[in-house]
Amino acid sequence: AQSVTQLDSQVPVFEEAPVELRCNYSSSVSVYLFWYVQYPNQGLQLLLKYLSGSTLVESINGFEAEFNKSQTSFHLRKPSVHISDTAEYFCAVSRGSSNTGKLIFGQGTTLQVKP
Amino acid sequence: DAGVTQSPTHLIKTRGQQVTLRCSPKSGHDTVSWYQQALGQGPQFIFQYYEEEERQRGNFPDRFSGHQFPNYSSELNVNALLLGDSALYLCASSFSPLPGELFFGEGSRLTVL
Repeated sequence: AQSVTQLDSQVPVFEEAPVELRCNYSSSVSVYLFWYVQYPNQGLQLLLKYLSGSTLVESINGFEAEFNKSQTSFHLRKPSVHISDTAEYFCAVSRGSSNTGKLIFGQGTTLQVKP
Repeated sequence: DAGVTQSPTHLIKTRGQQVTLRCSPKSGHDTVSWYQQALGQGPQFIFQYYEEEERQRGNFPDRFSGHQFPNYSSELNVNALLLGDSALYLCASSFSPLPGELFFGEGSRLTVL
Protein backbone atom coordinates (compact mmCIF):
# COMPACT_ATOMS: atom_id res chain seq x y z
CA ALA A 1 0.00 0.00 0.00
CA GLN A 2 1.09 3.53 -0.67
CA SER A 3 1.36 6.23 1.96
CA VAL A 4 2.54 9.83 2.19
CA THR A 5 4.12 11.58 5.16
CA GLN A 6 4.46 15.32 5.34
CA LEU A 7 6.99 15.89 8.03
CA ASP A 8 5.88 19.34 9.15
CA SER A 9 2.31 20.30 10.00
CA GLN A 10 3.13 24.02 10.09
CA VAL A 11 5.98 26.02 8.62
CA PRO A 12 6.22 29.68 9.64
CA VAL A 13 8.58 31.79 7.54
CA PHE A 14 9.25 35.45 6.90
CA GLU A 15 8.53 37.02 3.53
CA GLU A 16 11.39 36.73 1.01
CA ALA A 17 12.99 33.87 2.98
CA PRO A 18 13.50 30.43 1.41
CA VAL A 19 11.26 27.54 2.39
CA GLU A 20 11.22 23.75 2.11
CA LEU A 21 8.16 21.61 2.71
CA ARG A 22 9.11 17.99 3.22
CA CYS A 23 7.32 14.97 1.80
CA ASN A 24 8.22 11.31 2.00
CA TYR A 25 6.28 8.45 0.45
CA SER A 26 6.28 4.71 0.63
CA SER A 27 5.39 2.47 -2.27
CA SER A 28 6.44 -0.88 -3.65
CA VAL A 29 5.65 0.19 -7.20
CA SER A 30 6.56 3.11 -9.41
CA VAL A 31 4.67 6.27 -8.57
CA TYR A 32 3.58 9.63 -9.82
CA LEU A 33 4.06 12.48 -7.36
CA PHE A 34 2.18 15.73 -6.94
CA TRP A 35 1.98 18.88 -4.88
CA TYR A 36 -1.40 20.55 -4.51
CA VAL A 37 -2.11 23.90 -2.87
CA GLN A 38 -5.30 24.89 -1.08
CA TYR A 39 -5.90 28.56 -0.43
CA PRO A 40 -8.46 29.49 2.25
CA ASN A 41 -12.02 28.60 1.25
CA GLN A 42 -10.93 27.24 -2.11
CA GLY A 43 -10.52 23.84 -3.69
CA LEU A 44 -7.18 22.17 -4.30
CA GLN A 45 -5.07 23.34 -7.22
CA LEU A 46 -2.28 21.37 -8.83
CA LEU A 47 1.04 23.09 -8.17
CA LEU A 48 3.41 20.69 -9.89
CA LYS A 49 3.82 17.03 -10.75
CA TYR A 50 6.43 14.39 -11.45
CA LEU A 51 5.45 11.67 -13.91
CA SER A 52 8.76 10.72 -15.54
CA GLY A 53 11.90 12.25 -16.99
CA SER A 54 13.75 15.04 -15.21
CA THR A 55 13.60 14.60 -11.46
CA LEU A 56 13.41 18.38 -10.92
CA VAL A 57 10.03 19.88 -11.72
CA GLU A 58 9.00 23.50 -11.52
CA SER A 59 5.78 25.49 -11.19
CA ILE A 60 4.96 28.78 -12.86
CA ASN A 61 5.07 30.69 -9.57
CA GLY A 62 8.59 29.79 -8.51
CA PHE A 63 8.15 26.54 -6.59
CA GLU A 64 10.19 23.47 -7.46
CA ALA A 65 10.31 19.89 -6.24
CA GLU A 66 12.83 17.13 -6.74
CA PHE A 67 12.00 13.46 -6.97
CA ASN A 68 14.56 11.45 -5.02
CA LYS A 69 13.91 7.77 -5.57
CA SER A 70 16.60 6.51 -3.22
CA GLN A 71 15.24 8.59 -0.35
CA THR A 72 11.61 8.24 -1.46
CA SER A 73 11.15 11.98 -1.10
CA PHE A 74 9.54 14.79 -3.07
CA HIS A 75 10.34 17.95 -1.13
CA LEU A 76 8.91 21.30 -2.25
CA ARG A 77 11.11 24.38 -2.24
CA LYS A 78 10.93 28.07 -3.05
CA PRO A 79 13.92 30.40 -2.79
CA SER A 80 11.89 33.46 -1.79
CA VAL A 81 8.29 33.32 -0.53
CA HIS A 82 5.56 35.96 -0.75
CA ILE A 83 2.68 36.69 1.58
CA SER A 84 0.39 35.32 -1.13
CA ASP A 85 2.02 31.88 -0.77
CA THR A 86 0.27 31.43 2.59
CA ALA A 87 -1.83 28.31 2.12
CA GLU A 88 -2.14 24.60 2.87
CA TYR A 89 0.13 22.40 0.79
CA PHE A 90 -0.56 18.73 0.14
CA CYS A 91 1.82 16.14 -1.22
CA ALA A 92 0.15 13.25 -3.06
CA VAL A 93 1.11 10.01 -4.77
CA SER A 94 -0.59 7.78 -7.28
CA ARG A 95 0.31 4.46 -8.77
CA GLY A 96 2.59 4.90 -11.74
CA SER A 97 1.64 3.86 -15.25
CA SER A 98 -1.98 4.44 -14.46
CA ASN A 99 -4.64 6.97 -15.35
CA THR A 100 -6.19 6.58 -11.98
CA GLY A 101 -7.75 9.49 -10.15
CA LYS A 102 -6.92 7.77 -6.90
CA LEU A 103 -4.45 9.97 -5.12
CA ILE A 104 -3.07 9.27 -1.67
CA PHE A 105 -2.60 12.58 0.14
CA GLY A 106 -0.44 13.54 3.05
CA GLN A 107 -1.83 15.33 6.06
CA GLY A 108 -0.89 18.73 4.70
CA THR A 109 1.55 21.47 5.68
CA THR A 110 0.37 24.95 6.54
CA LEU A 111 2.77 27.54 5.17
CA GLN A 112 2.47 30.79 7.10
CA VAL A 113 4.35 33.66 5.49
CA LYS A 114 4.87 36.59 7.83
CA PRO A 115 5.68 40.16 6.78
CA ASP B 1 -14.53 27.69 -19.40
CA ALA B 2 -16.26 26.61 -16.20
CA GLY B 3 -14.21 24.52 -13.86
CA VAL B 4 -15.53 21.84 -11.55
CA THR B 5 -18.74 22.97 -9.86
CA GLN B 6 -20.27 21.42 -6.76
CA SER B 7 -23.56 21.89 -4.98
CA PRO B 8 -24.62 22.62 -2.38
CA THR B 9 -21.68 24.50 -0.88
CA HIS B 10 -22.86 24.02 2.70
CA LEU B 11 -25.46 21.84 4.32
CA ILE B 12 -26.48 20.65 7.75
CA LYS B 13 -28.06 17.27 8.43
CA THR B 14 -28.90 15.22 11.50
CA ARG B 15 -27.73 11.73 12.34
CA GLY B 16 -29.50 9.02 10.40
CA GLN B 17 -30.49 11.25 7.51
CA GLN B 18 -29.39 10.86 3.92
CA VAL B 19 -27.57 13.40 1.75
CA THR B 20 -26.90 13.85 -1.97
CA LEU B 21 -24.04 15.97 -3.24
CA ARG B 22 -23.66 16.96 -6.88
CA CYS B 23 -20.73 17.63 -9.16
CA SER B 24 -20.32 18.90 -12.71
CA PRO B 25 -16.89 18.17 -14.14
CA LYS B 26 -14.69 20.54 -16.06
CA SER B 27 -15.61 20.77 -19.73
CA GLY B 28 -13.99 17.96 -21.70
CA HIS B 29 -13.45 15.74 -18.66
CA ASP B 30 -15.01 12.30 -18.47
CA THR B 31 -13.83 10.98 -15.11
CA VAL B 32 -15.06 12.06 -11.69
CA SER B 33 -13.48 11.21 -8.35
CA TRP B 34 -14.82 11.99 -4.88
CA TYR B 35 -12.76 12.75 -1.80
CA GLN B 36 -13.59 13.33 1.85
CA GLN B 37 -11.50 15.92 3.71
CA ALA B 38 -11.95 15.98 7.46
CA LEU B 39 -10.90 19.10 9.32
CA GLY B 40 -7.10 19.35 9.49
CA GLN B 41 -6.57 16.27 7.33
CA GLY B 42 -5.65 15.52 3.77
CA PRO B 43 -8.34 14.40 1.33
CA GLN B 44 -9.21 10.69 1.34
CA PHE B 45 -10.30 8.92 -1.83
CA ILE B 46 -13.88 7.65 -1.76
CA PHE B 47 -14.43 6.41 -5.31
CA GLN B 48 -14.04 7.16 -8.99
CA TYR B 49 -16.56 7.05 -11.83
CA TYR B 50 -15.80 6.59 -15.49
CA GLU B 51 -18.23 5.64 -18.25
CA GLU B 52 -21.04 5.67 -15.69
CA GLU B 53 -19.42 2.92 -13.65
CA GLU B 54 -17.57 2.87 -10.35
CA ARG B 55 -14.00 2.02 -11.33
CA GLN B 56 -12.17 2.27 -8.03
CA ARG B 57 -13.19 2.53 -4.43
CA GLY B 58 -11.38 3.60 -1.31
CA ASN B 59 -11.88 2.32 2.19
CA PHE B 60 -15.40 3.66 2.75
CA PRO B 61 -18.50 1.71 3.81
CA ASP B 62 -21.40 0.91 1.53
CA ARG B 63 -23.31 3.83 3.03
CA PHE B 64 -21.34 5.87 0.51
CA SER B 65 -22.59 5.40 -3.02
CA GLY B 66 -22.48 7.34 -6.22
CA HIS B 67 -23.63 7.70 -9.73
CA GLN B 68 -22.38 9.18 -12.97
CA PHE B 69 -24.73 10.43 -15.65
CA PRO B 70 -24.29 10.36 -19.44
CA ASN B 71 -23.23 14.01 -19.38
CA TYR B 72 -20.39 12.99 -16.99
CA SER B 73 -21.86 14.80 -13.99
CA SER B 74 -21.91 12.84 -10.77
CA GLU B 75 -23.66 12.46 -7.44
CA LEU B 76 -22.39 11.26 -4.10
CA ASN B 77 -24.97 9.78 -1.73
CA VAL B 78 -24.40 9.07 1.93
CA ASN B 79 -27.03 7.14 3.89
CA ALA B 80 -27.54 6.81 7.64
CA LEU B 81 -25.35 9.79 8.40
CA LEU B 82 -22.98 9.64 11.36
CA LEU B 83 -21.38 12.50 13.23
CA GLY B 84 -18.05 11.37 11.77
CA ASP B 85 -19.30 12.03 8.25
CA SER B 86 -18.95 15.76 8.90
CA ALA B 87 -16.32 16.90 6.42
CA LEU B 88 -15.60 18.78 3.22
CA TYR B 89 -16.50 16.60 0.24
CA LEU B 90 -14.43 17.33 -2.81
CA CYS B 91 -15.18 16.38 -6.36
CA ALA B 92 -12.32 16.14 -8.84
CA SER B 93 -12.52 15.64 -12.57
CA SER B 94 -9.99 14.47 -15.10
CA PHE B 95 -9.59 13.35 -18.67
CA SER B 96 -9.02 9.62 -18.34
CA PRO B 97 -5.82 9.21 -20.33
CA LEU B 98 -3.92 11.75 -18.25
CA PRO B 99 -2.42 10.44 -15.02
CA GLY B 100 -3.13 12.42 -11.90
CA GLU B 101 -4.28 15.61 -13.63
CA LEU B 102 -7.12 16.25 -11.22
CA PHE B 103 -9.11 19.47 -11.16
CA PHE B 104 -10.95 20.00 -7.89
CA GLY B 105 -14.13 21.85 -7.06
CA GLU B 106 -14.43 24.02 -3.98
CA GLY B 107 -16.28 21.33 -2.13
CA SER B 108 -19.49 20.76 -0.23
CA ARG B 109 -19.17 21.20 3.50
CA LEU B 110 -21.40 18.75 5.34
CA THR B 111 -22.14 19.15 9.03
CA VAL B 112 -23.92 16.29 10.79
CA LEU B 113 -25.55 17.14 14.11
